[in-house]
Amino acid sequence: TQLLEQSPQFLSIQEGENLTVYCNSSSVFSSLQWYRQEPGEGPVLLVTVVTGGEVKKLKRLTFQFGDARKDSSLHITAAQPGDTGLYLCAGALETSGSRLTFGEGTQLTVNP
Amino acid sequence: NAGVTQTPKFRILKIGQSMTLQCTQDMNHNYMYWYRQDPGMGLKLIYYSVGAGITDKGEVPNGYNVSRSTTEDFPLRLELAAPSQTSVYFCASTSNVVSGTSYEQYFGPGTRLTVT
Repeated sequence: TQLLEQSPQFLSIQEGENLTVYCNSSSVFSSLQWYRQEPGEGPVLLVTVVTGGEVKKLKRLTFQFGDARKDSSLHITAAQPGDTGLYLCAGALETSGSRLTFGEGTQLTVNP
Repeated sequence: NAGVTQTPKFRILKIGQSMTLQCTQDMNHNYMYWYRQDPGMGLKLIYYSVGAGITDKGEVPNGYNVSRSTTEDFPLRLELAAPSQTSVYFCASTSNVVSGTSYEQYFGPGTRLTVT
């Protein structure tokens, strides 16, 4: 059983469309991070959310942490081909020390 | 400042051979991690270290060994390679001094390993 469930697993959209990616769990996380991974490279941190209900914006990307700190979403406005990549959510459990739990990722393709 | 570096970038092994994947970070991070990523999947933790001389198993440690003799280096050893170890291996590091208990991780570029 995957502790962090991401949906959808695959998403293919046209340039200019909006999209939302979800990261859900039955566990409470002390913090949650979103990473983007491009082909042939390692994941790169986009954002960390730590407070229930927190919303952070990074240009056209909006990240939200659920009030109960069990889920998160990533919304992209007016997607561009440069947004193409694998989006991974990762959470820090209070009982797991320095280990992160990763979701299986959402593969996003933005077509020009 | 190179961040996290990994060598080699690519490697093909025959079944039963051994090899060491190298990982070095120059950020003085105390925590280091090894993950494997299979096609279309997320990251599975193999081993991690909270400081020099201290290592612990992750989710999928079988077939692997690690050591942490210095803060900078965290090599991953594969003994008796098997086809099931074909994967992309990522090393990562973090510091609780910098990121507190969020443990935001910095990743290397990966090593693509094929065992045939």
